[in-house]
Amino acid sequence: KAGVTQTPRYLIKTRGQQVTLSCSPISGHRSVSWYQQTPGQGLQFLFEYFSETQRNKGNFPGRFSGRQFSNSRSEMNVSTLELGDSALYLCASSLDFQETQYFGPGTRLLVL
Amino acid sequence: AQSVTQLGSHVSVSEGALVLLRCNYSSSVPPYLFWYVQYPNQGLQLLLKYTTGATLVKGINGFEAEFKKSETSFHLTKPSAHMSDAAEYFCAVRIPNSGGSNYKLTFGKGTLLTVNP
Repeated sequence: KAGVTQTPRYLIKTRGQQVTLSCSPISGHRSVSWYQQTPGQGLQFLFEYFSETQRNKGNFPGRFSGRQFSNSRSEMNVSTLELGDSALYLCASSLDFQETQYFGPGTRLLVL
Repeated sequence: AQSVTQLGSHVSVSEGALVLLRCNYSSSVPPYLFWYVQYPNQGLQLLLKYTTGATLVKGINGFEAEFKKSETSFHLTKPSAHMSDAAEYFCAVRIPNSGGSNYKLTFGKGTLLTVNP
């Protein structure tokens, strides 16, 4: 089976812009979670989607949003980018929320 | 809420030496425990996991970990380090059969493993 794929792998944006990141889960996986990884804060949970519904959300501002499509693919959007949003954004998929999460390679976002 | 502490942000060993990466957790109920490895410019790869049953779990690449409830620990070991083991290792905890904010994986800060020739 193909693993979790994320596009794009690298992205450079300027402050104030918005960005959309995409994640395709492992075939058959219905749950998609997003994490932010920074040197200072480490790995932090953003949100989790299952069957097109957001079930859980971490402690991030409303500028961070996401959605899931009927084919389980997910996107996350960050509006009004700030310098502090520079990070590696990781997507993980699992069969269901109780199952083991498998991670994609991440999208590295640099905000200038 | 659950939490994870990884002792030692950087561990350096010689090739062929024992690898020991420490992880302690805090949880109000028996958790699920995971070790992930991250190579430079890559995502996280699952090394091994403990859910229930045997407390000594074996993973990929010769790694194993033992769940010790009395010590709230889940240390990762490998008898003989290889140069290719150089990477960052993350311990993570999740509360089983939970919803809401407890669903998420809670990660430690990570331990960077350096293997010297």
